[in-house]
Formats: sequence, C-alpha cells, structure tokens
Amino acid sequence: GENVEQHPSTLSVQEGDSAVIKCTYSDSASNYFPWYKQELGKGPQLIIDIRSNVGEKKDQRIAVTLNKTAKHFSLHITETQPEDSAVYFCAASIRGGTASKLTFGTGTRLQVTL
Amino acid sequence: GAGVSQSPSNKVTEKGKDVELRCDPISGHTALYWYRQSLGQGLEFLIYFQGNSAPDKSGLPSDRFSAERTGGSVSTLTIQRTQQEDSAVYLCASSLEGTPSRRLNIQYFGAGTRLSVL
Repeated sequence: GENVEQHPSTLSVQEGDSAVIKCTYSDSASNYFPWYKQELGKGPQLIIDIRSNVGEKKDQRIAVTLNKTAKHFSLHITETQPEDSAVYFCAASIRGGTASKLTFGTGTRLQVTL
Repeated sequence: GAGVSQSPSNKVTEKGKDVELRCDPISGHTALYWYRQSLGQGLEFLIYFQGNSAPDKSGLPSDRFSAERTGGSVSTLTIQRTQQEDSAVYLCASSLEGTPSRRLNIQYFGAGTRLSVL
C-alpha cells in the first residue's frame, strides 16, 4: 500500500519568513495530494490540494509543488503569520472518480514566532 | 450548513468496556470515513463507506473494531473490550461522491472524539 513520509516533524520560523514542508510517497499510482492544517482541539482542514497532472499550484501565501518523477511534493508558506502556527499534514490517494481513502504523513508542527 | 459532527467529544472508559462513537456527516455527502490519530502520529485510515457499496474495512486494526452506517447518513464506530492502546482521537470525515468531470471528494473532518482507556 501507499506510504507517505513527511519532514520535518517540527519547524520554527520567525514571522514574515517562509516555511517549507516536504513529503514523499511510494505508490506511483497516487494522483491526488491534499494538505491539511490542524489547530489544537479541531479536526484537520483542507488548505490546498494538487493533482498529478499539475506541477504547481498557488493560493495567496500558500503554494504546493509536485515532482511525479521523484514522488515528492512540498508545501510552501510565504510571509508567515502567527495564525499559521498549527500542525500540517500531507496526504496522498488515488482518484478514479470515486471516493477513496487518504494516506497521511505524520505531521509537521509549525511554530511562527514574533 | 453544519459541518461534520462527532459525539461525544471526549470519552473516558475502563479497560475491557465497549464504546460507541458517533459521526453525523455533512448532509448529502455519500462517502464517510473513519480515521484514528494517536498522540504525535498522523491519521491512520480505519474504514470508509461509499453510498450503497460494501464498506472498505481494510484499516480496522482488529476484530474488536466495527462500524456501521445506517440509512446512508449517521455512522457509529464500536470498539469492544477496549484496550489502553485504543486511546487516541477518532476522526470522522465525509465527502461527496464525485465523477471524473467534477472537482470532487474533498474530505471534511469533524473535531474528533478523544478516547481515553484507563
């Protein structure tokens, strides 16, 4: 089955700096890669996703890049703010037009300091 | 409308007791998922239901775990004879069943049930 590895496990940046979180996956059939943000006491919330027919996607301060050949994808957050502090999870799944389970990475705890 | 609702938010039980965790998905969502999140770990898939199809139970860790989804809406995850290693946050998510021509299958999560087995 699919295996997703995520690094780093913790990341501390100063407000205004950029943060990068990296993930690798094992199943070349995976074609959908969402990123979730989880704040304390809450469920994960989707912040951005990318499909394997796209190399990069951007939404304001957040961007995701995908390298299918190397089977890795990354989350980039620019101009970080204290409210970006949370745990971020990457995930991978195979989309064939119907629902399918997500395989998650182990999470990155991002701390944005003033 | 309302998001995914889970109850109870916290559950403390004694080893050996049975527990039931409830999930109310977003209205109209045909797919429902259960995941488990242990301390400091990622989310581990347990089971998912999709419309009237047989559920995918491939992630259930043992036969003490079972789930059902009645009427295509509410789901209950049951853990029998709980063990201390069952302590975790149990998360439920739901999504719309999609087609290739639609942007599909974003999974929306509830806040989870924190289960503590003493």
